Amino acid sequence: GDSVTQMEGPVTLSEEAFLTINCTYTATGYPSLFWYVQYPGEGLQLLLKATKADDKGSNKGFEATYRKETTSFHLEKGSVQVSDSAVYFCALRNTGNQFYFGTGTSLTVIP
Amino acid sequence: DVKVTQSSRYLVKRTGEKVFLECVQDMDHENMFWYRQDPGLGLRLIYFSYDVKMKEKGDIPEGYSVSREKKERFSLILESASTNQTSMYLCASSLLLSGTEQYFGPGTRLTVT
Repeated sequence: GDSVTQMEGPVTLSEEAFLTINCTYTATGYPSLFWYVQYPGEGLQLLLKATKADDKGSNKGFEATYRKETTSFHLEKGSVQVSDSAVYFCALRNTGNQFYFGTGTSLTVIP
Repeated sequence: DVKVTQSSRYLVKRTGEKVFLECVQDMDHENMFWYRQDPGLGLRLIYFSYDVKMKEKGDIPEGYSVSREKKERFSLILESASTNQTSMYLCASSLLLSGTEQYFGPGTRLTVT
């Protein structure tokens, strides 16, 4: 079946460090791919998305590129801030209208 | 802005009680979902609905039921709450249109004692 695998956490970085959170997926056809962010005590918010191969989603300095050949959608940010501390979820929507989520990666950024 | 609201942020119930969690969305979305979120397990789908009065079981439907009488409202029912249903419950909605994202509510943290 379809699935999403993302990097285990927790991840701790110093402010202004480079961030990568790895995400790979298994799906037939051409799913849409998403990154969501969850701040403490809140629901998930869409961070960025890509709907076809080679698309790059970007928002708030975060980027991810849909790589069909490696079935990956890694999240990157060049310089993290304390306010980026949150849990990040990689997700896909397959052609059958189903959503699949990774288990989440907790990020803590220290000043 | 799309808004998904959930009836309670925090709820404490006793074992054996019937519990209702309500979710309302204001953007005419066809799909609605109920998840539970537990540490280390991520999000697990309980039920979803793609139309009024339609429902599909997710990965962990046991002990839960749902109701969708109106397009904007999706209710999760715990017929007889148990302590292992203590969790964060998240409601989401989306368009039926392929490639579109889900929108999440703020969550309800349910404690069953």
